[in-house]
Order: sequence, then C-alpha cells, then structure tokens
Amino acid sequence: DIQMTQSPSSLSASVGDRVTVTCRASQSISSFLNWYQQKPGKAPQLLIYAASSLQSGVPSRFSGSGSGTDFTLTISSLQPEDFATYYCQQSFSTPQTFGQGTKVEIK
Amino acid sequence: EVQLVESGGGLVQPGGSLRLSCAASGFTFSAYWMHWVRQAPGKGLVWVSRINSDGSSTSYADSVKGRFTISRDNAKNTLYLQMNSLRAEDTAVYYCAREMELLLGYDAFDIWGQGTMVTVSS
Repeated sequence: DIQMTQSPSSLSASVGDRVTVTCRASQSISSFLNWYQQKPGKAPQLLIYAASSLQSGVPSRFSGSGSGTDFTLTISSLQPEDFATYYCQQSFSTPQTFGQGTKVEIK
Repeated sequence: EVQLVESGGGLVQPGGSLRLSCAASGFTFSAYWMHWVRQAPGKGLVWVSRINSDGSSTSYADSVKGRFTISRDNAKNTLYLQMNSLRAEDTAVYYCAREMELLLGYDAFDIWGQGTMVTVSS
C-alpha cells in the first residue's frame, strides 16, 4: 500500500495568513493526488483533484501543486471558514490511502 | 440535488453484524463506482471498500477483508455494506462516497454522504 504522510499535523494561523500543507507519498503517484477539507461533524469536501485542479465551487484562494512524491496545498489568505482539517488522498492505486490530516486552528 | 444518504448504523456487540445502506439521488447511480470510507472518533479518514458501476468488481482494505461485503442495487439506487464479525476497532462513522472522473484518468470522491455511526461495544 502507498503511505501518505502530511506535515505538519496541526498549525495555528491568523486570518489573512498564507498557509501551506505538505503531503508526501511513499512512492511516485504522478499527479494522482486529491485534497479534502473536513469541518467538525461534517463529511469531507473535495477541494483539489489531480494535484492542482480546483473543484467547482471552491474559492480560488485554494491551490495545489506537486507531482511524483511531494505535494502542497496552499491557502493564499486564510479566511474564518477555512479553519478545518485537511486530508490528502492518493488515487494512483487501490487502496486509495489518505494522509493522517492537518488541523488548521485559529491563532 | 445530488445526494447520498447513509443509514443502518447503531450499537452492536462484538462479533455481531450490521448492514449499512447508502441511498443515492440526483444522479445516474449506475454509472459510478462507489466507496465506503470510515473515520474512528477523533481520527483520520480510512478507505474501506469500493465497487464498480455494475457490481462485478469489488475491493477491500486488509482490515475488513473476509468480514465486510460491499454490494449495490442499481435498480434501487442503493449501495450497501454488510459488516460481520464486528470488532471494537470497527467503531467509526462510515461514509459512502461517489468516485468521479474529473479529468481524464483522474478520479476523486466528489460527493459524500453525511455519515452513519457504528459503535461496537458490549
């Protein structure tokens, strides 16, 4: 199975900050990398697919980059509604493994 | 409205069984691969199982293989997860999710249900 490792596990940031979350795969997954946002008590929501494509309806302050084994999710200017947990997921092979999550908290 | 609604969760004793359902609406259910993903309390997302569009192919996480069975009824627009020999470590919120090809060859889970809680405890 492909292991996905996110860093950091949590971070504190202020509204307006630029935030970066990193995801590393245990082997090359090309661009088969998705990002999800999950708020407490809610289902995950797709933000980014194919490493850098923005899902319809997702604000443009979210962006993704990377290929191979190293990927990044960036929030250009953190908004109050962005405080949540973010997960990466590889869709290169089954099982489609998730990272352990990065919790973005208010500073 | 495109929607997935899970049901069937609850409290069950270790060794018991439970069947989860996921009712789909607002889209052509029979055209999509479907997945189950679970989340233990306070923990991250874990992929559990998937089924192809006509039900002829399935796959499972090692942790549930031989105990869980995924199936679907395209006439009823419903996905199922039969869970047998349940263990305490199966306690989680179970989500069903639709797999969508958003870019040629690139898939993601674009629609999720609200989740149903399964608690395995004596």
